[in-house]
Amino acid sequence: SQTIHQWPATLVQPVGSPLSLECTVEGTSNPNLYWYRQAAGRGLQLLFYSVGIGQISSEVPQNLSASRPQDRQFILSSKKLLLSDSGFYLCAWSVGTGVRQPQHFGDGTRLSIL
Amino acid sequence: ILNVEQSPQSLHVQEGDSTNFTCSFPSSNFYALHWYRWETAKSPEALFVMTLNGDEKKKGRISATLNTKEGYSYLYIKGSQPEDSATYLCGERTSYDKVIFGPGTSLSVIP
Repeated sequence: SQTIHQWPATLVQPVGSPLSLECTVEGTSNPNLYWYRQAAGRGLQLLFYSVGIGQISSEVPQNLSASRPQDRQFILSSKKLLLSDSGFYLCAWSVGTGVRQPQHFGDGTRLSIL
Repeated sequence: ILNVEQSPQSLHVQEGDSTNFTCSFPSSNFYALHWYRWETAKSPEALFVMTLNGDEKKKGRISATLNTKEGYSYLYIKGSQPEDSATYLCGERTSYDKVIFGPGTSLSVIP
């Protein structure tokens, strides 16, 4: 069966520090991969998605970036965190083809910027 | 409608009451409509994926309907139980690659 791993579960970082969140999927090949953020009191905002290795689409301009170095690995990064980067980050995957396929989410990372 | 919208933002009901909430979405580039249940301290869990106008889906006491022509979907919960307390997210798939989510409806079921 397919599983998704996301870490760390919680992270406290100072303003201006770098960030690296990692997400890996097991049990499937060539998944679509997604990074979402939920800011306090708001819904899920799509940040990045990827349909293949090295292919990244950005939904919102920001100081975050994403990379997909391997088929089932998706990394969210920042060189310098801002206070506004605080929130709950979720990684998700879906089967690469077929509009009826749901998204499967990881457990999330709670990021607090001090 | 330019974004996926959900109403109400939050809802408190008594155990045993039936309830429903609404998801409104732009219908111009519609591929599918997703519903998820997101319980506290867990990850969102898929409930339904609907693609056809008039679709109705049911899972236990929860059901959903879809109107793609007017751009809305309803989620119904019959006989709410405390374990139904969660945030219910709807998302519109606007291409083969991505789903755009609404802000969610937070449901609290009071025993």
